[in-house]
Amino acid sequence: NAGVTQTPKFQVLKTGQSMTLQCAQDMNHEYMSWYRQDPGMGLRLIHYSVGAGITDQGEVPNGYNVSRSTTEDFPLRLLSAAPSQTSVYFCASRLKKHLAGELTDTQYFGPGTRLTVL
Amino acid sequence: AQSVAQPEDQVNVAEGNPLTVKCTYSVSGNPYLFWYVQYPNRGLQFLLKYITGDNLVKGSYGFEAEFNKSQTSFHLKKPSALVSDSALYFCAVRDISNAGNMLTFGGGTRLMVKP
Repeated sequence: NAGVTQTPKFQVLKTGQSMTLQCAQDMNHEYMSWYRQDPGMGLRLIHYSVGAGITDQGEVPNGYNVSRSTTEDFPLRLLSAAPSQTSVYFCASRLKKHLAGELTDTQYFGPGTRLTVL
Repeated sequence: AQSVAQPEDQVNVAEGNPLTVKCTYSVSGNPYLFWYVQYPNRGLQFLLKYITGDNLVKGSYGFEAEFNKSQTSFHLKKPSALVSDSALYFCAVRDISNAGNMLTFGGGTRLMVKP
């Protein structure tokens, strides 16, 4: 298993440009999410999905769109990039299941995408 | 609403000494609690979690954490710190009463272990 993969690793945009951050997981996890990491603020949830065709907003959704057409992929779109969106973006997938009477609930993170908006 | 507080931006400890990284949380229901570590220019790696059972949870790399419901805390501990433990540590919580809810993270604590 490749786990959670993200592309690109680095990206520089000009204000107003649009782009898509790709995220894929090969673990058949139902739950996926996008976070942004900013100094001193930890990770903040942007959008999440509890399954194919279902998405919902997190804590800081403005300026971002997501879609979940397949279980594997969860792309994050920046519609019109702004300097305030300069950040490191992490995609995560979540395994939640009962196995032999025990609950497993663990989140796995991708390596991150460092985005700079000029 | 759920929230996590990590009151220390940085913790300094000498190699071989015990370390503690503090975390307190707030949820409306029962919590799932997690610790993640981030090494420079890397993603987040799972360290340990508390879901149910023993209040003392053991995780990767010799780390452990103690769930204290009355103090709403989940402090990360290690009996003997290594220089290689230097990294950014994040505490996170999920309210188990909300099945679709994602993790809420604390602001992170930078651990510096000096030789």
